[in-house]
Amino acid sequence: DGGITQSPKYLFRKEGQNVTLSCEQNLNHDAMYWYRQDPGQGLRLIYYSQIVNDFQKGDIAEGYSVSREKKESFPLTVTSAQKNPTAFYLCASSIGLSPLHFGNGTRLTVT
Amino acid sequence: GQQVMQIPQYQHVQEGEDFTTYCNSSTTLSNIQWYKQRPGGHPVFLIQLVKSGEVKKQKRLTFQFGEAKKNSSLHITATQTTDVGTYFCAGPEGPGGYNKLIFGAGTRLAVHP
Repeated sequence: DGGITQSPKYLFRKEGQNVTLSCEQNLNHDAMYWYRQDPGQGLRLIYYSQIVNDFQKGDIAEGYSVSREKKESFPLTVTSAQKNPTAFYLCASSIGLSPLHFGNGTRLTVT
Repeated sequence: GQQVMQIPQYQHVQEGEDFTTYCNSSTTLSNIQWYKQRPGGHPVFLIQLVKSGEVKKQKRLTFQFGEAKKNSSLHITATQTTDVGTYFCAGPEGPGGYNKLIFGAGTRLAVHP
């Protein structure tokens, strides 16, 4: 079955450490996205990529970095510069104007 | 910048009662999409509306897109416990060949048996 795999499901880190969240898709989708979800809020766009080796900042890119070296993969690094990194992170993909297909998410806790 | 607002933020209903959530955009939308997120889960696409005044039904769910293409609603008739979750509306940010969405904050639905 095609889909998006995010790993790990839960992640714990100490403050000051960088951490990379994995996102892999086998849907052959061109576009990939990273959203952040906080309790009581909607999804906020961190970064998105339309094609390999190209990506753009979303609304809350500060403290995050991404890469898109392969069509299937779009890892997100949460750096120590992100002031409030504890959140639920969702990766999604789409092709053209098709609806977003989401992964199961990674719940990051930084203490 | 473009904003998508949803009300109410939270609603309790008794099983069998109806439920409606409303979505308003600060700008005209080319389309509006609705997603459902079960507790502990990820958003799942429900439907997309494209035409002004469009109404679509999925069993007990009725979706409407306003004439001005700036507002939308989702109505659930005779709620069931399986309807529990958070319902999000989302609209694309500007033109483009891909689906960069701005999400509303969501309406969390609790259904009491």
